[in-house]
Parts: sequence; C-alpha cells; structure tokens
Amino acid sequence: DAGVIQSPRHEVTEMGQEVTLRCKPISGHDYLFWYRQTMMRGLELLIYFNNNVPIDDSGMPEDRFSAKMPNASFSTLKIQPSEPRDSAVYFCASSLSGQGSYEQYFGPGTRLTVT
Amino acid sequence: SQKIEQNSEALNIQEGKTATLTCNYTNYSPAYLQWYRQDPGRGPVFLLLIRENEKEKRKERLKVTFDTTLKQSLFHITASQPADSATYLCALDPGGNNRLAFGKGNQVVVIP
Repeated sequence: DAGVIQSPRHEVTEMGQEVTLRCKPISGHDYLFWYRQTMMRGLELLIYFNNNVPIDDSGMPEDRFSAKMPNASFSTLKIQPSEPRDSAVYFCASSLSGQGSYEQYFGPGTRLTVT
Repeated sequence: SQKIEQNSEALNIQEGKTATLTCNYTNYSPAYLQWYRQDPGRGPVFLLLIRENEKEKRKERLKVTFDTTLKQSLFHITASQPADSATYLCALDPGGNNRLAFGKGNQVVVIP
C-alpha cells in the first residue's frame, strides 16, 4: 500500500487566494482526519470523518475553512480566503476502526505558506 | 482546561544510554494513550499504544508506562542510537470515536 497520499507537498499563495489541499487515505480505512501543525500550537485536529460523514468539525478555526469527503478514497480541505496566519503544515491521517489499536497513519503533509 | 504536556526542551543523550520522556495530562480520562515518532518534514508514525488497565508495554527497545492516578505516561528508549533522534509525541483519546489529542512533542538527540 502506498500509504496516505497528500498533494501538493508545498503550497505558496498570496493572502486572499483560495487554497485546496487533497488527501487519499489508505484503502479500506473508515476514518479520516485533518490536522494542522505549528510550532506554537502543535498538532491540532481540525475535522474528522467516519465513513465519509463529518463527525466533528469543532477544530476548524473559522468559516474560511471547509472540508469534504465525497467518497471513501478522497478528501479535500479548502481555505477561502487564505490569510498569513494559516501558514502551517497540514496533515491528513486515516485509521481503521475495529482493530483495537486506534493507530492513525499520517500522510507526508502539505506545507502551506501564505504571504 | 484540558492539557497534554511534554517537555519543550530537547533531550540530549549519549548513545547507549536510556532516554526517558514524560507526558502529563490534566482533565482527561483516556481509555488509552499512544506514542508517535516524527522526523523532520514527515508525518508522525505510530509506535505504541497502552490502555488504561495496563501498567507497562514494551516493543523492542521501547517501553511505555501509564499511571492513571498520576495522569502520566513515561516513554523509554533503551540502548539509544543516533537513529532514534526524532521528536516523540504522546496522544490520548479525549473520549472515544477514534479521535486523538496530541502533545506538542519532545525532541530527542542521541549523540554518538
């Protein structure tokens, strides 16, 4: 298995632009998580899905952030409009319920820089 | 408020020695706690899970303890090697549904 795939790996954009981050979870996994990591705040959970349904989006900072999971193999995180304070590394992770380990598999991350 | 605390200072340790990291938490009652390793430019990688009814868990040179009374987990790397240099994050479940809350991580530097 290729693991969790994220694209792009790096994104540089100007303030006010729309940014879309993409994630392909591990095949067969039924949970998908979006995290943001910064030096100040560490790794923060933004939103997570179970069987493509958003379960908890309380970590989404504001209405400028939205996430979708149209099918089991694809999810997007969109920021519109982007702001410099959104600069961070965004990780997608997936996991499989019922295994008892609750292990999450992380993608390589997307480093977002908003100027 | 809920907190997960890990030492923000890097741990510098001589090769061959045992590295010990601490994870303290407040206002959580986790059913389990996990440890992850993160290398620069990469996503975290799962290492170990320990449940609330387990005192200790081992995997190769790694050992984790979990004290729900002290609200603390200790993570040990025995016979440390330069390849163990990384940031180690603890994570616990805030209350089911497979979600995790992470500490900020503790960097370990193993000196040859």
